[in-house]
Amino acid sequence: QSVLTQPPSASGTPGQRVTISCSGSTSNIGDMYVNWYQQLPGMAPKLLIYRNNQRPSGIPDRFSGSKSGTSASLAISGLRSEDEADYHCASWDASLSGWVFGGGTKLTVL
Amino acid sequence: EVQLVESGGGLVKPGGSLRLSCAASGFTFINAWMSWVRQAPGKGLEWVGRIKGKIDGGTIDYAAPVKGRLTISRDDSINTVFLQISSLRTEDTGLYYCVLVDCTGGVCYPGNFWGQGTLITVSS
Repeated sequence: QSVLTQPPSASGTPGQRVTISCSGSTSNIGDMYVNWYQQLPGMAPKLLIYRNNQRPSGIPDRFSGSKSGTSASLAISGLRSEDEADYHCASWDASLSGWVFGGGTKLTVL
Repeated sequence: EVQLVESGGGLVKPGGSLRLSCAASGFTFINAWMSWVRQAPGKGLEWVGRIKGKIDGGTIDYAAPVKGRLTISRDDSINTVFLQISSLRTEDTGLYYCVLVDCTGGVCYPGNFWGQGTLITVSS
């Protein structure tokens, strides 16, 4: 059972906008930054969003992150077939003194 | 170019132990924070622990579920970080990733450089 809660799956059609949620608590998301990682099939995770809404160099602005209270969201606009992947949220947990992840959301592009 | 190459995984019986290695290159290793993250088959990511760089005292933190069975260490002379796991259980089965921690701006997190992972299978 993951500390952060994500829906197990999400889907959309090409060009559509999809959002993936990540729910936590006051000891993690509520008081700490949230990161998002994209994991393509058979590959290692890749940093997609850091500090709630910052994109590393090379990440297109189709990807955006937001946070409100103890929840965070990843939005992908202009959905493309190559966006089909698992998406993981993560945050530092002050009570556990460690990084915690969500269970991951499998995004399918229909 | 940053490279992280894990090795040491394999098939091991319950109760056994294993030591994983992660050879790093392409950055100044001695002061880098390094982390281990694992992923059970078909499951999400799980942070296992981290070791800080020399300038920050080399402090080590472990995730509560694995504390006591895992030992993270580093050898700065060969730019390598290690993960020793003892009393292995079937639930330790998974892909173990070595990750370079990004501490830009004073906030540290598993960054954009991950190894390819090394697989541990715990089975009798």
